[in-house]
Amino acid sequence: DTEVTQTPKHLVMGMTNKKSLKCEQHMGHRAMYWYKQKAKKPPELMFVYSYEKLSINESVPSRFSPECPNSSLLNLHLHALQPEDSALYLCASSQEGSGSNQPQHFGDGTRLSIL
Amino acid sequence: GQNIDQPTEMTATEGAIVQINCTYQTSGFNGLFWYQQHAGEAPTFLSYNVLDGLEEKGRFSSFLSRSKGYSYLLLKELQMKDSASYLCAVRDTHNQGGKLIFGQGTELSVKP
Repeated sequence: DTEVTQTPKHLVMGMTNKKSLKCEQHMGHRAMYWYKQKAKKPPELMFVYSYEKLSINESVPSRFSPECPNSSLLNLHLHALQPEDSALYLCASSQEGSGSNQPQHFGDGTRLSIL
Repeated sequence: GQNIDQPTEMTATEGAIVQINCTYQTSGFNGLFWYQQHAGEAPTFLSYNVLDGLEEKGRFSSFLSRSKGYSYLLLKELQMKDSASYLCAVRDTHNQGGKLIFGQGTELSVKP
């Protein structure tokens, strides 16, 4: 078990569905991240929130919409996804500050399958 | 451009020592991280280097040379449970929320 909790663990959805992935951490971290990981590939950064503001969007398609309701929660809203979006979606968090050497802590991920 | 290279696969014997190398070329550098990821699980943090030299943590050590753009992860007294993917990642900026750039990962198989 990790200190970053993601729900659901598995999600199967059709291309017309709307669903949300949720991530929660109570370590007081002020940076939170969404990554996408395909099998046998490294995690690919999608979004970074720093102090609840979106600081990095890696040119992610608009069918993925992140939201940070407060410092402990991070959501990823999904709509009209494509089969190629099937992957493991990882949430991570870290302490932040100038020159921070703190690692990112990852959740166990949501395994998403698009039919 | 940004580039991080690591071997794709390595095999080692239980009880032995293995060194996993990582070379990087990035636009900025604010530290290098090593993560371990077992199949179907989250990456877990192993080590961090920002200054040149060796950091030791039990059976795991990590080395960094910034002038050479080079790091290695050393695993001693290998155990079967060390079979996993090992990811090298560079943090490229000082900015808050600085992104990690990951290498492709090295799949380590430990055999009896």
